[in-house]
Amino acid sequence: AQRVTQPEKLLSVFKGAPVELKCNYSYSGSPELFWYVQYSRQRLQLLLRHISRESIKGFTADLNKGETSFHLKKPFAQEEDSAMYYCALSGTGGFKTIFGAGTRLFVKA
Amino acid sequence: EAGVVQSPRYKIIEKKQPVAFWCNPISGHNTLYWYLQNLGQGPELLIRYENEEAVDDSQLPKDRFSAERLKGVDSTLKIQPAELGDSAVYLCASSLDRAGELFFGEGSRLTVL
Repeated sequence: AQRVTQPEKLLSVFKGAPVELKCNYSYSGSPELFWYVQYSRQRLQLLLRHISRESIKGFTADLNKGETSFHLKKPFAQEEDSAMYYCALSGTGGFKTIFGAGTRLFVKA
Repeated sequence: EAGVVQSPRYKIIEKKQPVAFWCNPISGHNTLYWYLQNLGQGPELLIRYENEEAVDDSQLPKDRFSAERLKGVDSTLKIQPAELGDSAVYLCASSLDRAGELFFGEGSRLTVL
């Protein structure tokens, strides 16, 4: 079955510390992975997708097909990174986009 | 560009009453989605449209939920009758293609008393 797992409900780090939000997926086909973010009082929006291989707001994520993971990383967390982060999976053939349960990141001053 | 527009933003009703949510996607986006988001969980797909056609409604509780997308643009999601467990945020999203970036609306928060 297709599934996205985010094992941490809450992640709290100090400003300037590295942060890693974990995401594991289960999908038999060729996956497309995304990270979406929801800042306080804002709508859910795309942060990055694996095929673009971009760094957005200092965040990067590498698709590891062997470990079926797509962890989100940032070397130095900022207070404005505090938000809810959702890992999402789509695929070929019109497969629907499914989301993990989300991880709340809290960056302390 | 206003983005995906949803209304109402908030709705409070008593159980067994009907409720409807409206969504206007981004112009040119053929694919439209309705997601349900319960507190503390990620969005769960209810139904996906490609133009006017509902191509995935397997998670839509069809005994009480219905949706339509007339003319392949705006969409309406209806619940009749509402139950206490329907209290959640109903998210509408649109995309240019099936597996691309989703653009979300602000959501409609439903409270059933």
